[in-house]
Amino acid sequence: QVQLVESGGGVVQPGRSLRLSCAASGFTFSNYGMHWVRQAPGKGLEWVAVISDDGSNEYYADSVKGRFTISRDNSKNTLYLQMNSLRTEDTAVYYCAKDFHRLDCWGQGTLVTVSS
Amino acid sequence: QSALTQPASVSGSPGQSITISCTGTSSDVGDYNDVSWYQQYPGNAPKLMIYDVSNRPSGVSSRFSGSKSGNTASLTISGLQAEDEADYYCSSYTSSTTWVFGGGTKLTVL
Repeated sequence: QVQLVESGGGVVQPGRSLRLSCAASGFTFSNYGMHWVRQAPGKGLEWVAVISDDGSNEYYADSVKGRFTISRDNSKNTLYLQMNSLRTEDTAVYYCAKDFHRLDCWGQGTLVTVSS
Repeated sequence: QSALTQPASVSGSPGQSITISCTGTSSDVGDYNDVSWYQQYPGNAPKLMIYDVSNRPSGVSSRFSGSKSGNTASLTISGLQAEDEADYYCSSYTSSTTWVFGGGTKLTVL
């Protein structure tokens, strides 16, 4: 069955960096675009970034553009989110989701807390 | 990248039908059929309920249906059940090659 497992979350100080990973299984990872979506505590969903199936195209929300980088390693079936210059407002559960157009499968999420 | 507009809350009694609206612009909902709806229980990941405006993934109850008119998409749940109580989010592809979510609607089954 399709499975997405995020990791790499934790507590980090403002201005520091963190890299999230999303390990995929149960489907042909290299055939699908992948997203990162976040949810601040008690708030709604916010789209963060998407990467095409072959990694050649990336798109970002204005709120993270220039600070976050989405990437993937199709040989390892893994999606990444490099987060630099973190701000307190980046505190959220980060989900990875499968499929460029319909986000049809989501991981359980990993919590990132940005705090001094 | 302004969020799509959804009502903060809706409610209905078991067996009734409810509709949740999702209003965007001509740069997202109005111009694309990449409109999806997600169900989320507290503490859980979202689950895709409707994609491409009105299509249901396999395993999703036929009580859930979607539609779109102009810049507004809608999710209708018929034959409301207690298990439908959850948060619901719409999303749309946009002309900037980004995605945008609605603010979410809390459904209460009375």
